[in-house]
Amino acid sequence: DAKTTQPPSMDCAEGRAANLPCNHSTISGNEYVYWYRQIHSQGPQYIIHGLKNNETNEMASLIITEDRKSSTLILPHATLRDTAVYYCIVRVPRETSYDKVIFGPGTSLSVIP
Amino acid sequence: EPEVTQTPSHQVTQMGQEVILRCVPISNHLYFYWYRQILGQKVEFLVSFYNNEISEKSEIFDDQFSVERPDGSNFTLKIRSTKLEDSAMYFCASSESRYEQFFGPGTRLTVL
Repeated sequence: DAKTTQPPSMDCAEGRAANLPCNHSTISGNEYVYWYRQIHSQGPQYIIHGLKNNETNEMASLIITEDRKSSTLILPHATLRDTAVYYCIVRVPRETSYDKVIFGPGTSLSVIP
Repeated sequence: EPEVTQTPSHQVTQMGQEVILRCVPISNHLYFYWYRQILGQKVEFLVSFYNNEISEKSEIFDDQFSVERPDGSNFTLKIRSTKLEDSAMYFCASSESRYEQFFGPGTRLTVL
């Protein structure tokens, strides 16, 4: 699986968009970009995934650059409840589902009132 | 919305004792996992389970650990003889697709 690089921490004002970057310059053609988050002392939570097109769901948007070497997770209107560690993970989804998620150090996002 | 549940939320045990951590995965999921997180460290994969057998396990998952699906709903992690370094949060996860895994709230294990 490709290595990812994320800033260790970021701040965002409540109500503003939070833009969390991730570099994955060694990504290969069949690797997807996944985002999870972990709110303090809770289990990790899946947010979104994508291959090369931009994706949006009820939680966030994922913007992947054309060369796929980096991506940005966007929380459009951050709330205090979005304060968490955000993990960018790059991997090939196997045909079978029994595939571990490998968590790096992630980005600790603090949403400030 | 269906969710993964885990019991107990906090388990305190003495070193050398056996513990069983319990999980109820989401009902139509077929793939199950255990992860752990030592305080202040990253979440680490322990084991994946499918069709009543282990699919993959990490180096952490040694002979002291075992998993079982004793009935149609529960998924358990047993630690045979706990050590101080087993103190951690243990997360169960389940999935039905190859994209997202759903994690439970975790069990905090404290070994004294």
